[in-house]
Amino acid sequence: NAGVTQTPKFRVLKTGQSMTLLCAQDMNHEYMYWYRQDPGMGLRLIHYSVGEGTTAKGEVPDGYNVSRLKKQNFLLGLESAAPSQTSVYFCASSSTDRTLGETQYFGPGTRLLVL
Amino acid sequence: KQEVTQIPAALSVPEGENLVLNCSFTDSAIYNLQWFRQDPGKGLTSLLLIQSSQREQTSGRLNASLDKSSGRSTLYIAASQPGDSATYLCAVRRAGGGNKLTFGTGTQLKVEL
Repeated sequence: NAGVTQTPKFRVLKTGQSMTLLCAQDMNHEYMYWYRQDPGMGLRLIHYSVGEGTTAKGEVPDGYNVSRLKKQNFLLGLESAAPSQTSVYFCASSSTDRTLGETQYFGPGTRLLVL
Repeated sequence: KQEVTQIPAALSVPEGENLVLNCSFTDSAIYNLQWFRQDPGKGLTSLLLIQSSQREQTSGRLNASLDKSSGRSTLYIAASQPGDSATYLCAVRRAGGGNKLTFGTGTQLKVEL
């Protein structure tokens, strides 16, 4: 049981390049989330998904797109990277079953540097 | 808009001391509140989750309390150890619709020998 995994762990991009961050969970969770963490800002929600095939905007969605084609995977895309997107990105997942607990389980993060 | 504040931003204590970390939030219409631990370069690990109807939760040396009406939560750590050194984050989930969390900026704790 690997929990939540993220690929890649670290990436350097040039301004204007594109990339996709992959998140995978093996806990059969319905909900998945993408956050970014910046110094002094805390974690902020980018996009989230309440089930396979569904996505919704969070607090800071501009410049990002997401897809949830399979229940276990949640992809975060940057179509044209900007230096302001330099950050640490965390994926998380949670169950919808209150008896199982609704806590969010986090991946180890992806460090992205945009030059 | 919900805002979550954690004071102090950093704290250094000697080993063995009991300590309290504070979290305040502006909108009392919350569904639950969670405390997380984050080690340097790592993801977040959930420590305690308090439902809005609860007053406190305990796990080992950790005790979290919630006063929803005043918009406050505290995390009490008993007999602190160097292994407790980490950043502690609180997050609130608003009532109604979706498990979306609003995070505080955290308290960086260092427990010294």
